[in-house]
Amino acid sequence: DAGVIQSPRHEVTEMGQEVTLRCKPISGHNSLFWYRQTMMRGLELLIYFNNNVPIDDSGMPEDRFSAKMPNASFSTLKIQPSEPRDSAVYFCASRETAYQETQYFGPGTRLLVL
Amino acid sequence: GDSVTQMEGPVTLSEEAFLTINCTYTATGYPSLFWYVQYPGEGLQLLLKATKADDKGSNKGFEATYRKETTSFHLEKGSVQVSDSAVYFCALNNQGGKLIFGQGTELSVKP
Repeated sequence: DAGVIQSPRHEVTEMGQEVTLRCKPISGHNSLFWYRQTMMRGLELLIYFNNNVPIDDSGMPEDRFSAKMPNASFSTLKIQPSEPRDSAVYFCASRETAYQETQYFGPGTRLLVL
Repeated sequence: GDSVTQMEGPVTLSEEAFLTINCTYTATGYPSLFWYVQYPGEGLQLLLKATKADDKGSNKGFEATYRKETTSFHLEKGSVQVSDSAVYFCALNNQGGKLIFGQGTELSVKP
């Protein structure tokens, strides 16, 4: 099994630019989560989907952040415009069903906004 | 709201030492409890879990027991190795189906 795949692994961009992070969940999993990890705030859940539908986006910091899941095998997290305080590691995780509890994490995307 | 509190790190041990990382939680109901491990530059991996009171999760020599009376889920290992150096996260699965993580505890094992 390939596991959760994220791209890019590293992204360096300038303030004001649009950033798109991508995630491919484990095949057959129908829940997907986006997290942000920083030294100051630890791991924060941004949004999660069940069956491609956003269930809880209360962790999305502001309107500059948006997430989509157009199909069961792909999701994006977009930041537009990006700001230096968005610098963090962004993780995607998937779960087999809404009733399974174990989440499987991708390797993360390390984002640096200059 | 639901929360998880871990002992602060970093924890530095010599190889073959005994490890304890404390974790306590506050939650509505009886959540499942987890330990995840994050090696440098990688994502989180499930280390072990327990789903009800008095359950013991174990994996790779690590153990943790779900203690409802003390709302704790302390991680232990009898003899750590250099390869155990990582950040360890305690977490609970709340009634909304979300994982609530502690702040993480960095472990450094010296040869």
